[in-house]
Amino acid sequence: ETGVTQSPTHLIKTRGQQVTLRCSSQSGHNTVSWYQQALGQGPQFIFQYYREEENGRGNFPPRFSGLQFPNYSSELNVNALELDDSALYLCASSLELGSKEQYFGPGTRLTVT
Amino acid sequence: AQTVTQSQPEMSVQEAETVTLSCTYDTSESDYYLFWYKQPPSRQMILVIRQEAYKQQNATENRFSVNFQKAAKSFSLKISDSQLGDAAMYFCAYRSGAWGTNQGGKLIFGQGTELSVKP
Repeated sequence: ETGVTQSPTHLIKTRGQQVTLRCSSQSGHNTVSWYQQALGQGPQFIFQYYREEENGRGNFPPRFSGLQFPNYSSELNVNALELDDSALYLCASSLELGSKEQYFGPGTRLTVT
Repeated sequence: AQTVTQSQPEMSVQEAETVTLSCTYDTSESDYYLFWYKQPPSRQMILVIRQEAYKQQNATENRFSVNFQKAAKSFSLKISDSQLGDAAMYFCAYRSGAWGTNQGGKLIFGQGTELSVKP
C-alpha cells in the first residue's frame, strides 16, 4: 500500500462526454503527477502539479486538464472524450519536486464507447 | 528527448531460478535516475529498485539487483530465487535529475516486460 488512492476504480463513458478522475495523495505530498497507460503499453506522462499549479506537461492536448487542492487531493479532467482516451489513468504523489520516489495509486480504468 | 526501450515483451523463469530483464535508454543528461517498477494484475505500480546515475555501485534490494552500465546506457534487472509472487509486468523508467525544471518529475517508461514464473 502506497497511501495513494484513486476513484472511481473504473468507469464507462460515451465519446464526447466529459470525465473527472480523482486522486488522494499521501498527507504532506506537494507534488502529484498523472499518467495515461494504454493497454499493453507503459505509462505516458500527462502533467504534474506542484503546490496547486501545473509544473510540466507531456504531449497531451488542452482538453486534458487538472486541479490540485490544499488537502492533497487532485483531479484529472478530460473533455470531449475520444475512443483513444480509453486507458488506465494513474496518479503518483511525491513529497517535493525533487523527491526521488513517486508513490502510485491503483489507477482508474476508463473505457470510452 | 529521452527514451527507454525494453526489448523483451515477455520472459519466463522457473521458480527459484534467476532471470534478467533488459533495458536500454537514451539521454544526453549526466544527472538522472533509473527505476524498475513492478505492476501486478492489481495494477498498482510498485517501486522495485532505484539507481542514481552518479553512483557507480549497482543498487541491490534483497533478491533484486541491477547491472547499470552508464557508458552503454544499459540498466538490467536481475531477480534471484524467483518466486511466484514475482509474476507481473516490469517497467524500466527514467527520470531527469534536473528536478528544478518543469519536466523534472516526469517519469519516462519503457514498454514493459511481462514476467511469468513457473512452479
